[in-house]
Amino acid sequence: DQQVKQNSPSLSVQEGRISILNCDYTNSMFDYFLWYKKYPAEGPTFLISISSIKDKNEDGRFTVFLNKSAKHLSLHIVPSQPGDSAVYFCAAPGSGGSNYKLTFGKGTLLTVNP
Amino acid sequence: DVKVTQSSRYLVKRTGEKVFLECVQDMDHENMFWYRQDPGLGLRLIYFSYDVKMKEKGDIPEGYSVSREKKERFSLILESASTNQTSMYLCASSLSWGSDGYTFGSGTRLTVV
Repeated sequence: DQQVKQNSPSLSVQEGRISILNCDYTNSMFDYFLWYKKYPAEGPTFLISISSIKDKNEDGRFTVFLNKSAKHLSLHIVPSQPGDSAVYFCAAPGSGGSNYKLTFGKGTLLTVNP
Repeated sequence: DVKVTQSSRYLVKRTGEKVFLECVQDMDHENMFWYRQDPGLGLRLIYFSYDVKMKEKGDIPEGYSVSREKKERFSLILESASTNQTSMYLCASSLSWGSDGYTFGSGTRLTVV
């Protein structure tokens, strides 16, 4: 039972345009959500997070939106750059006593074309 | 910055060998984790540890064991390596229960032949 789902394995956009990566979740008790970025042959790096009490968090070119009624979050990258090409994972912590344990989606490979 | 170091970037082992993957973090984090990443399957949790000598199974513990004798070091052990354990192995650590997230190591690409 996958609690965090990324249904698009890949996404391709043109440099300068907006990239929108989507994530759905099933557990309404998640306290926060995180996005990680991973280049080949490297470990994932933390990108941005959002608390469940907010609906938007922005950090430079990256904005995460949370729609709790739809149990959906999205990561917007504007403008997209070729260096953004990577796999993006959304993640959420366990509930209660296991909230230090993150569950990851399967990832979306973003390709930004020059 | 927190640094998580995995001892090997690439490993090639034979079927049936006992394999040790080492991970060290330098910021006194309580929690440490081992994941594997496979195409189309994302990151799957193998084992985690929330304190020295404490460990818990993740989602796919079969064929693996772990050791945490010191706070900074978390080892993943493949008791008898098999070809289906060929994967990218990622170690991570975290400080607290909150939204700090994990810091990952660079990964070990293990190939079992």
